[in-house]
Amino acid sequence: DGGITQSPKYLFRKEGQNVTLSCEQNLNHDAMYWYRQDPGQGLRLIYYSQIVNDFQKGDIAEGYSVSREKKESFPLTVTSAQKNPTAFYLCASRVGVAGELNTGELFFGEGSRLTVL
Amino acid sequence: DAKTTQPPSMDCAEGRAANLPCNHSTISGNEYVYWYRQIHSQGPQYIIHGLKNNETNEMASLIITEDRKSSTLILPHATLRDTAVYYCIVRVLYIQGAQKLVFGQGTRLTINP
Repeated sequence: DGGITQSPKYLFRKEGQNVTLSCEQNLNHDAMYWYRQDPGQGLRLIYYSQIVNDFQKGDIAEGYSVSREKKESFPLTVTSAQKNPTAFYLCASRVGVAGELNTGELFFGEGSRLTVL
Repeated sequence: DAKTTQPPSMDCAEGRAANLPCNHSTISGNEYVYWYRQIHSQGPQYIIHGLKNNETNEMASLIITEDRKSSTLILPHATLRDTAVYYCIVRVLYIQGAQKLVFGQGTRLTINP
């Protein structure tokens, strides 16, 4: 079945370490997004990519990096520069081109929960 | 994207209709109203969207006021599994180039047995 897969679901990291969260989609979507969610809060946009080999900073990009070398993959690296990385991270994708069947709907993965020890 | 305002929490009895309001007074003419929900520790799930006409699907109904400054999501027969945080966002269907999608704090809906 088509969908978005995030891994790992749970991740523990020591302070000062970089960690990479995986996001893979087989929906043939052009646009992909990374959000961060803290307890009791909404989603905040970290990075997004409209097309392969191109990405843009969202509202809270500091301390994060991404790459988009393949259409189906959009990994997020949480670097040691991120001051408070403990959070729930969500990856999403959507159709990138307007068309009759384009509802603009966002498809989300199940999330990755990162805890810094 | 236009900003939305939702009540932080609501309660509803199981089997009754749950009506979730959303204010979007600065919505532009080409912006759609979208609703998503998020069950605890899972990814958000798309529910419904609309431009100006009322919409209905197998999950819910969306009522948009004539001036489009507010809308209501209706879950006609709420079940315990509908307990979740519901997000209302407004945005254009598609634009060229960069586009950010912003979720606010949403409404925490609790369905009580």
